[in-house]
Amino acid sequence: IVMTQSPLSLPVTPGEPASISCRSSQSLLYSNGHSYLDWYLQRPGQSPQLLIYLGSTRASGVPDRFSGSGSGTDFTLKISRVEAEDVGVYYCMQALQAPHTFGQGTKLQIK
Amino acid sequence: EVQLVESGGGLVKPGGSLRLSCAASGFTFNNVWMSWVRQAPGKGLEWVGRIKSTTDGGTTDYAAPVKGRFTISRDDIKNLLFLQMNSLKTEDTAVYYCIRVILGGTSDYWGRGTLVTVSS
Repeated sequence: IVMTQSPLSLPVTPGEPASISCRSSQSLLYSNGHSYLDWYLQRPGQSPQLLIYLGSTRASGVPDRFSGSGSGTDFTLKISRVEAEDVGVYYCMQALQAPHTFGQGTKLQIK
Repeated sequence: EVQLVESGGGLVKPGGSLRLSCAASGFTFNNVWMSWVRQAPGKGLEWVGRIKSTTDGGTTDYAAPVKGRFTISRDDIKNLLFLQMNSLKTEDTAVYYCIRVILGGTSDYWGRGTLVTVSS
């Protein structure tokens, strides 16, 4: 399954919203009604961390300014108000079937 | 507290072998599927492979670029995950992360990674 993210670079003014798109080459919808799509953030110099799983479920401790939406093949990660600590590279990943695959990554920078 | 600590990285020549280890603590290791993900210098994330829990059969899956060369195994007594890498190529140069799988392929905890450099 090929994962395609856009944009690849995203300059954002603090306090403004941001949105990242992720598209899969096959549907990630499982028979249980959930789409197996994750979002991860890799801050500079750190290991990636899980933000969103099953397309829209926030991981423990993730601020509610992060939200995930979508189903099937089209997904979106939204940040309602970007903060300085949100800088890094955002990856989507299909968690439906092995081999699992990541998008190319979207680098969020502060303007 | 969940902890995953990788070790075993280093410099190896093309064609050589290396075994990475991951020491897990803070959770019931034998109930959990585990994976390896790598990141080449300045590049994105690449899923390497996974091993199911022993109770789920302990079977493994691999990404195409490493299939037949890499082997994932686990020691549920010592709470260790392994990645045996053979016939290494320069393109295997990367930081290798050990990760805990919670659902399908979703990973909620990542180690800090260990750097493998394949170079002559």
